[in-house]
Amino acid sequence: AQSVTQLGSHVSVSEGALVLLRCNYSSSVPPYLFWYVQYPNQGLQLLLKYTSAATLVKGINGFEAEFKKSETSFHLTKPSAHMSDAAEYFCAVSVGNDYKLSFGAGTTVTVRA
Amino acid sequence: DGGITQSPKYLFRKEGQNVTLSCEQNLNHDAMYWYRQDPGQGLRLIYYSQIVNDFQKGDIAEGYSVSREKKESFPLTVTSAQKNPTAFYLCASSIVGNRGAFFGQGTRLTVV
Repeated sequence: AQSVTQLGSHVSVSEGALVLLRCNYSSSVPPYLFWYVQYPNQGLQLLLKYTSAATLVKGINGFEAEFKKSETSFHLTKPSAHMSDAAEYFCAVSVGNDYKLSFGAGTTVTVRA
Repeated sequence: DGGITQSPKYLFRKEGQNVTLSCEQNLNHDAMYWYRQDPGQGLRLIYYSQIVNDFQKGDIAEGYSVSREKKESFPLTVTSAQKNPTAFYLCASSIVGNRGAFFGQGTRLTVV
């Protein structure tokens, strides 16, 4: 069975600083990996996805993630945090033919002025 | 505009009552999903459906039921057998064969 682990349930960064959110996956077959963002009392919005093409994936709002097979990781980064980046972020994995997503526990990001 | 509509946004239920959450999509997606979200636990899959009149249990299906009579609709019933139904429920849809899913805005269910 596939799974993802997000390291750190809360991350606090200063405005303008690097945002780094960590995600490690477990899968016996090549995975498809995703990052979603959720604002309070809202649904999830897709930030970016890895589907076995380029290992460095660029997403919306200046975010990007790098797939590293040797480290089984898919960490999310943004060079310069903005106040609007305060939200909860979820890493997810999909394998097999049923296309369902398995989610990590989430990381809440706060941005300090 | 295409999207997924969940209704109502907030729902209150008395203990022992069944309640149905609505999910409608006009994206022409074949697959639809229901997730439950609790603080600190991420999203857990309740049920999913890839075609009309067919659906499969997810990881936490006990106490829930679904139907898929139309491609556009995938309602979720939270039955009285669900011991801890207070949660945020999210519906999603996707194209079969295309990884990733689009999500609705969620329904917050509270048992009073």
